[in-house]
Amino acid sequence: DQQVKQNSPSLSVQEGRISILNCDYTNSMFDYFLWYKKYPAEGPTFLISISSIKDKNEDGRFTVFLNKSAKHLSLHIVPSQPGDSAVYFCAPPRYDKIIFGKGTRLHILP
Amino acid sequence: GAVVSQHPSWVICKSGTSVKIECRSLDFQATTMFWYRQFPKQSLMLMATSNEGSKATYEQGVEKDKFLINHASLTLSTLTVTSAHPEDSSFYICSGPTSRTNTEAFFGQGTRLTVV
Repeated sequence: DQQVKQNSPSLSVQEGRISILNCDYTNSMFDYFLWYKKYPAEGPTFLISISSIKDKNEDGRFTVFLNKSAKHLSLHIVPSQPGDSAVYFCAPPRYDKIIFGKGTRLHILP
Repeated sequence: GAVVSQHPSWVICKSGTSVKIECRSLDFQATTMFWYRQFPKQSLMLMATSNEGSKATYEQGVEKDKFLINHASLTLSTLTVTSAHPEDSSFYICSGPTSRTNTEAFFGQGTRLTVV
């Protein structure tokens, strides 16, 4: 899906450090952005969302920042833990469904 | 959050046979549900929208005669892979819809299909 791009296919971060996953979009009409996390051979699980009227949403170790002028989102995970190793998808809802982009594979290094 | 249960978690079948995968919403009712497919090391591709009481809506390039979808009740959608071939081996996942109150959609645990 070309309306949302996660330009880094993979990212490696040392355990305990901050992981920053980026997402760019082209459609300024999106109301919400969702972040999903997916382990191999499992369904995606919802992680955190942000409304387009906000610029930040925080939930524990996870914070999502939205820069509407730049059409850019970022997910910050701090401190990174081994269980955070997964594929992360940035996905705005399209009416009643989710269209996934390519995602970013996060590796947390010991 | 809402719970979506998918069954079976994995299945192995012989070429030429058909396989049915069930997707149940356990604590909500849904007039639409969605089926995805994931190839190894690739993203989740939306295959079709399952519509309760009517025909499914398929995404471009998805063979509707190969992937039969039935949504007979507000809590159950099924995907049948007919006359399966090895190239149909994949990971299939279903989800409920997003909504105004619950903007996130909830996904089943997925089904690993291997056709031998």
